[in-house]
Amino acid sequence: GAVVSQHPSWVICKSGTSVKIECRSLDFQATTMFWYRQFPKQSLMLMATSNEGSKATYEQGVEKDKFLINHASLTLSTLTVTSAHPEDSSFYICSARNQGPRYGYTFGSGTRLTVV
Amino acid sequence: AQKVTQAQTEISVVEKEDVTLDCVYETRDTTYYLFWYKQPPSGELVFLIRRNSFDEQNEISGRYSWNFQKSTSSFNFTITASQVVDSAVYFCALSPNNAGNMLTFGGGTRLMVKP
Repeated sequence: GAVVSQHPSWVICKSGTSVKIECRSLDFQATTMFWYRQFPKQSLMLMATSNEGSKATYEQGVEKDKFLINHASLTLSTLTVTSAHPEDSSFYICSARNQGPRYGYTFGSGTRLTVV
Repeated sequence: AQKVTQAQTEISVVEKEDVTLDCVYETRDTTYYLFWYKQPPSGELVFLIRRNSFDEQNEISGRYSWNFQKSTSSFNFTITASQVVDSAVYFCALSPNNAGNMLTFGGGTRLMVKP
């Protein structure tokens, strides 16, 4: 149980275009989801906290107009990278908090974004 | 503010050696959770353990063991008889015991196990 599905697993896009990444909780309801970004050989950095039915909370330094987060249902959160540039190339991972006694947090498999 | 420090950025061992990955944390919360995750080259995060701040018992799971020392704010991870498949980046993380709060990750330790 407690599976989070993230799609796509990888995407290559042209500079200036937008890319949407989906994160779905398959067998539990996720009122809160988290979006992380990971540059090569670095740790995971929290970008924003996504709350169902309300606006996301962005971490300092993260442009909310560039990284649009929508959490319209209890099982789906999306991250849209708008007007992507090569410096946005990174590994994006979503996470949902679940109430299971063992895990606490469940992670998606990540999306590797390459902007050319 | 919370902080997790993994001082070892890279460790290289030969197969069958034991290896300990260090994790030191800082938090003002009295109740919190500590985690270890494994990130293989494919990128997904594999959950290894979650430990409540009130439970200082050490835990062993197969070749893995964890030493939680609240007095030194450390939560170290030991792999005994390491194998090539253990090669990955390992992250230690901290979360306060509040609903909806996010994980704070350490910088990660890249473990390379050579045959």
